[in-house]
Amino acid sequence: AQTVTQSQPEMSVQEAETVTLSCTYDTSENNYYLFWYKQPPSRQMILVIRQEAYKQQNATENRFSVNFQKAAKSFSLKISDSQLGDTAMYFCAFTLNTGTASKLTFGTGTRLQVTL
Amino acid sequence: KAGVTQTPRYLIKTRGQQVTLSCSPISGHRSVSWYQQTPGQGLQFLFEYFSETQRNKGNFPGRFSGRQFSNSRSEMNVSTLELGDSALYLCASSLDRAKTQYFGPGTRLLVL
Repeated sequence: AQTVTQSQPEMSVQEAETVTLSCTYDTSENNYYLFWYKQPPSRQMILVIRQEAYKQQNATENRFSVNFQKAAKSFSLKISDSQLGDTAMYFCAFTLNTGTASKLTFGTGTRLQVTL
Repeated sequence: KAGVTQTPRYLIKTRGQQVTLSCSPISGHRSVSWYQQTPGQGLQFLFEYFSETQRNKGNFPGRFSGRQFSNSRSEMNVSTLELGDSALYLCASSLDRAKTQYFGPGTRLLVL
């Protein structure tokens, strides 16, 4: 079974600063996807970024980037130039690329507070 | 393109009742998954449907069931509600091979 661990329950960052959220996962499989989702107080789960395990290049989406270390099974999210609207719960998630089922396994989340 | 929609958004029920939640996926998405989110257990996978067939199921009792219609819309049903069923129920849809799941706004269920 796959597991996802987020060891930082809460983090705080000042506006315009950079913050990194950590995520580790455990799997014996080699072909999978990793995601970061954001859940603001509205509770809508929003996709932030996605990484395919077979790609060595780290994914980037505007101010969001990941540091994917496959051997270490680590998948951290870096948020640059933090904005007040980045305040949310951030979930790391994993799914196998089996061709059929697409169950997501989530970590417990990191609550990020962006302050002035 | 419209996003995933879920109805109703809020629901209050009493123990022993049953409830049906609805989810309409993004147009063209044929895979629909359901998740339960609670403060204690976090996000847990309930089941996934594709082409009207349940393709994957999480570790939930038989009181939790679902179905998918030919237009990919999905419903989940919880019978004999318990207090512990109070949760945010999230639906997500995806293109089958793409693996990326897009979530709806959720249905918040409160069982009294």
